[in-house]
Amino acid sequence: QVQLVESGGGLVKPGGSLRLSCTASGFTFSDYYMSWIRQAPGKGPEWISYIGGNGATTHYADSVKGRFTISRDNAQKSVYLHLSSLRADDTAVYFCARDSFLAGIHWFDPWGQGTQVTVSS
Amino acid sequence: SYVLTQPPSLSVAPGEAATITCAGNNIGGKSVHWYQQKPGQAPVLVIYYDSSRPSGIPERISGSNSGNTAALTISRVEAGDEADYYCQVWDSSSDHLGVFGGGTKLTVL
Repeated sequence: QVQLVESGGGLVKPGGSLRLSCTASGFTFSDYYMSWIRQAPGKGPEWISYIGGNGATTHYADSVKGRFTISRDNAQKSVYLHLSSLRADDTAVYFCARDSFLAGIHWFDPWGQGTQVTVSS
Repeated sequence: SYVLTQPPSLSVAPGEAATITCAGNNIGGKSVHWYQQKPGQAPVLVIYYDSSRPSGIPERISGSNSGNTAALTISRVEAGDEADYYCQVWDSSSDHLGVFGGGTKLTVL
């Protein structure tokens, strides 16, 4: 079955960096866009970035543009999110999700279990 | 940026129907997707493209979208339906492309 497993979260100081990984199985990874979505404590999800199947297309939410970088390795069936210049309001559970894309519309199914990122001194 | 507004909470007795709304400016012109999230778990897609159900989602769950309001309806609510529900659209007119509502906590009495 389709499965996504994130890793790489942890506690980091303000201004620090972190790299999150998401490894996929159960589907043809290179055929799909992939997205990262985060959820702060007690809040709704916030989409933050997507990457196209061949890695050539990326896009970011304004809240992370210039600080976060998405990438992928199709041979490893993995997508990554490099987080830099981290701030306290980046504290959240970070999910990767398979991004279904049709006629310019994106939706997310399934999601991984998430990895916690905590930014604190 | 585009804003989706959901009621924070809804309480329904078992066996009754629950309708969760998602309001947005001319949301009927967009495609709406719905996710269910139980405590400590990742969100699960329950409706996509306004009213389509992924495989494994029961027919009791349905969606609609018109005008300024989209809705998720769960008929014959069960205890296992208790969860947070989020609507989502893709807004290509702004840079914040993936937009989620604030969520509705469904409580089964």
